[in-house]
Amino acid sequence: DIVMTQTPLSSPVTLGQPASISCRSSQSLVHSDGNTYLSWLQQRPGQPPRLLIYKISNRFSGVPDRFSGSGAGTDFTLKISRVEAEDVGVYYCMQATQLGTFGQGTKLEIK
Amino acid sequence: EVQLVESGGGLVQPGGSLRLSCAASGFTISSYWMIWVRQAPGKGLEWVANINQDGSEKYYVDSVKGRFTISRDNAKNSLFLQMNSLRAEDTAVYYCAETTVAWGQGTLVTVSS
Repeated sequence: DIVMTQTPLSSPVTLGQPASISCRSSQSLVHSDGNTYLSWLQQRPGQPPRLLIYKISNRFSGVPDRFSGSGAGTDFTLKISRVEAEDVGVYYCMQATQLGTFGQGTKLEIK
Repeated sequence: EVQLVESGGGLVQPGGSLRLSCAASGFTISSYWMIWVRQAPGKGLEWVANINQDGSEKYYVDSVKGRFTISRDNAKNSLFLQMNSLRAEDTAVYYCAETTVAWGQGTLVTVSS
């Protein structure tokens, strides 16, 4: 089974400052079809998960461009260029290359 | 608008059964693998099961193997999860999703006597 490890697990950030979350997989997420099925989801308090990024770096419809994804193979990063109050919540990486696995979640909070 | 809407959750006694449904709109599920994910109260997200485009391949997390069955009806653009022999630890919000297109809002399943 593929294990997804996120760091940090908690991230206090000042409004307007950048934030970065890392996600590492225990094996390569490159699928036999050539795609890498690595997604990032945001879950605001009391809300269902919301898709932010899919296939490493593709922003989902309606997602602000301050969110960006990058990486390859086993190492991936979600960056928020300037954190806003509405970004508070828990962020999960997820791989769907081999069955499905989530990271533990990173709680983003405002300092 | 692309949308997934789950239904069928509720309160059930240990050992009971429930069938969850997920209705898609705005896209055709027949082109995609589909998944069920759950989130126990206060916990993170857990992948439960997935199914390929024509339903010939199905995979499950170990904790639900032999008890849950994922299925789909492409003609009705719908996904299902039959849950039998339910346990207290199955209590969670269940979400259906296609990981690059849409996530549902979830349906709560509570297993308790």
